[in-house]
Amino acid sequence: QKEVEQNSGPLSVPEGAIASLNCTYSDRGSQSFFWYRQYSGKSPELIMSIYSNGDKEDGRFTAQLNKASQYVSLLIRDSQPSDSATYLCAALGGDDKIIFGKGTRLHILP
Amino acid sequence: SAVISQKPSRDICQRGTSLTIQCQVDSQVTMMFWYRQQPGQSLTLIATANQGSEATYESGFVIDKFPISRPNLTFSTLTVSNMSPEDSSIYLCSARRGGTDTQYFGPGTRLTVL
Repeated sequence: QKEVEQNSGPLSVPEGAIASLNCTYSDRGSQSFFWYRQYSGKSPELIMSIYSNGDKEDGRFTAQLNKASQYVSLLIRDSQPSDSATYLCAALGGDDKIIFGKGTRLHILP
Repeated sequence: SAVISQKPSRDICQRGTSLTIQCQVDSQVTMMFWYRQQPGQSLTLIATANQGSEATYESGFVIDKFPISRPNLTFSTLTVSNMSPEDSSIYLCSARRGGTDTQYFGPGTRLTVL
């Protein structure tokens, strides 16, 4: 069964520090990967997508992909209290369906 | 990005009744999906809504329980039939434009079944 695995957390990070979120995926046919942010009571919001091995930066966010290790990560620099949310890792499988991980709860400590 | 609206935003329903959720996208999209998110859980795909044909359901979901319509490229409905308290959940509409794999979500419908 195709899966995306994440540590559920909570991950507590001091304000201003770097938050590191990780996930692994099982489907080697996956070529596209996504990070969604979900605030409590809200729907998921796409914050990053990555398709190639290596790093992709967008503002304070950096996504990293290693297809050989089937590993995706998200780094959040200069963490802010507003970054406190659940972060969902997702992979687009060969069947053209997106599979979501269970999410990591991130808590930024003021 | 696609702007997706859903209604109702929330509802409280009695056991045994049905609720139809509407999803409207601001522009033509090729793929529309319905997800369920139970409290504290991740997203579970219910089905892919196909324009002009029957929806494609995931394992564990059936048409009799979750009938779906998609009469055109920008609109879809999901009905939750013969509801029980176990159907209490957030139901999310999602859409993807042709030629892209970026998927966006509507605001969700919070359903409580008593």
